[in-house]
Amino acid sequence: DTGVSQDPRHKITKRGQNVTFRCDPISEHNRLYWYRQTLGQGPEFLTYFQNEAQLEKSRLLSDRFSAERPKGSFSTLEIQRTEQGDSAMYLCASSPPDRNNEQFFGPGTRLTVL
Amino acid sequence: AQTVTQSQPEMSVQEAETVTLSCTYDTSESDYYLFWYKQPPSRQMILVIRQEAYKQQNATENRFSVNFQKAAKSFSLKISDSQLGDAAMYFCAYRYPGANSKLTFGKGITLSVRP
Repeated sequence: DTGVSQDPRHKITKRGQNVTFRCDPISEHNRLYWYRQTLGQGPEFLTYFQNEAQLEKSRLLSDRFSAERPKGSFSTLEIQRTEQGDSAMYLCASSPPDRNNEQFFGPGTRLTVL
Repeated sequence: AQTVTQSQPEMSVQEAETVTLSCTYDTSESDYYLFWYKQPPSRQMILVIRQEAYKQQNATENRFSVNFQKAAKSFSLKISDSQLGDAAMYFCAYRYPGANSKLTFGKGITLSVRP
């Protein structure tokens, strides 16, 4: 068990560019979550997958954001036409089916939009 | 909607002393979970302690314990025998049971430990 991994750890991009982040959950964890954390704030929920099904999306997830979890394993979060307000830490977490009240977090991807 | 409030942005404690971090929350649910997460600088968030609302007994994990006051909707974390490694941001979080198990976090508190 190597924990939740995220790639890249840091991303600097120019406004208007598209970016994609990847999250690899702990193996056999069927639930996967994305959160966004801005400076000085707690993480805010973005979206949630159970296996390959995306079951909920926050209002924070505008139409520029899309997330997928093909085959119920890794997940990707894409942001199109990035804006400076998208600068944040993007956290991924996973939880197993038998202990679904504990979420294990990855190290996050820090996005800076210039 | 559920909200979690951490009104203290920063706290400091002397090494080996005890510190209490405060958290209040608002919910109309009777059954839910509460958590304290620790986020060290540039490191990933880890679970410190968990409390189920239906349990009256306060949770304890080694040097960490909670004071859960359900009627007051208060959930404070006590760290005993503070260590330098305890320095981090601490987040209080709420989760209601159900198909969607998202966490609602407070703004966090930065804890510093003085040697």
